[in-house]
Amino acid sequence: GESVGLHLPTLSVQEGDNSIINCAYSNSASDYFIWYKQESGKGPQFIIDIRSNMDKRQGQRVTVLLNKTVKHLSLQIAATQPGDSAVYFCAEKDNQGGKLIFGQGTELSVKP
Amino acid sequence: KAGVTQTPRYLIKTRGQQVTLSCSPISGHRSVSWYQQTPGQGLQFLFEYFSETQRNKGNFPGRFSGRQFSNSRSEMNVSTLELGDSALYLCASSPGGQGYGYTFGSGTRLTVV
Repeated sequence: GESVGLHLPTLSVQEGDNSIINCAYSNSASDYFIWYKQESGKGPQFIIDIRSNMDKRQGQRVTVLLNKTVKHLSLQIAATQPGDSAVYFCAEKDNQGGKLIFGQGTELSVKP
Repeated sequence: KAGVTQTPRYLIKTRGQQVTLSCSPISGHRSVSWYQQTPGQGLQFLFEYFSETQRNKGNFPGRFSGRQFSNSRSEMNVSTLELGDSALYLCASSPGGQGYGYTFGSGTRLTVV
């Protein structure tokens, strides 16, 4: 079936560096993508989203890039802070309705 | 603006029992989706309700069911609990229709013993 997968299960960066988390998706008909951050014991927290008619979207310290040609999504976090340590999930919205398909997640560890 | 509220936060049940979890979406949101999160399977879609109708359903057995009320609050029920049903159950609220933006609650941690 269709799936969203992450290339790296863990990522360790130094505080102040930039982080890049990658995600591959397989459903070329997906029209909406979301990045979530999940801290231990909490539900996924919305970070940023992008629609399929866009290539790039920026938020506060975060940027999402969408490459539809190779079906690739990335999350860039600028000046990574210890508070950014968490598991990050990408998700794509099924074009049949409200179903989100999640990637396996990447654990980001920020070293002070 | 209140977020998504899930109750209870924690549950311990015995195999064979049934359980009902509750989700109150963000005010004005008409769509509620449920997800199961486990270390082995990650986040998996259970079902979605929009305006009291099930709009999508994931690949879970019939022991998993849900419903949505006229005020958009939703409940999910799991009957004949199995050890493998132990998981974090998450509810996501969205405007529905062609709206975007999915906000998750903190989840209900279900442990089956």
